[in-house]
Amino acid sequence: QSVLTQPPSVSGAPGQTVTISCTGTRTNIGGYYSVHWYQRIPGKAPRLVMYGNDKRPSGVPDRFSGSKYGTSASLAITGLQAGDEAEYFCQSYDSGLGGSIFGSGTNLTVL
Amino acid sequence: QVQMVQSGSVVLKPGSSLRLSCKPPRGTLTSYRLSWLRQAPGQGPEWMGRTTPAVGESRDAQKFQGRIFFSADKTTSTVHMELRGLTSDDTATYYCATDRWFGDGTYYFDSWAQGTQVTVSS
Repeated sequence: QSVLTQPPSVSGAPGQTVTISCTGTRTNIGGYYSVHWYQRIPGKAPRLVMYGNDKRPSGVPDRFSGSKYGTSASLAITGLQAGDEAEYFCQSYDSGLGGSIFGSGTNLTVL
Repeated sequence: QVQMVQSGSVVLKPGSSLRLSCKPPRGTLTSYRLSWLRQAPGQGPEWMGRTTPAVGESRDAQKFQGRIFFSADKTTSTVHMELRGLTSDDTATYYCATDRWFGDGTYYFDSWAQGTQVTVSS
């Protein structure tokens, strides 16, 4: 069972905005540890799309943005495109477990 | 991009060992720190451990301590991960990825291999 909680699925029409949440506790996100986000398209290697809460790696469009507040974080995607359809999961660190932890994953469907 | 030497799928029997190999992107092993992760069906990814070939150090997740082992072959620039005592719970897609220290206690994984599907079944 994943330590970080994400909604199982979100959806939106092309051009719309979706937000994916990631909820943790005081020993991870709430403990001032950063959140990182990944995109996984079936058959492809997972791809880092956000690190350090709100920093985009080179090559990731500025339609992707990240934020963090308290024990939660979120990834927003504006101007949805068919190519954004994928599984997204968040990642942080947990001081109790002493290692990296991940969210349960959210499947994004572009209608 | 990180390359898993064995892509595709593997089927192993309970009690046996899994050995996977990974080659980092351009450069030698001394330039990278590699983590191993896995994702079981319907679950989020799970970090298993990391190895830093340049200094011969490794760190395991608590769950895998005593069962996971790392090694590196500098002549072929390949890192190996061995997981012993397999059970059906080890059925998952396994990945290697380069990881970066962010500075606040977290690491992030900036280049992933495509993954190897491992099924443990009698």
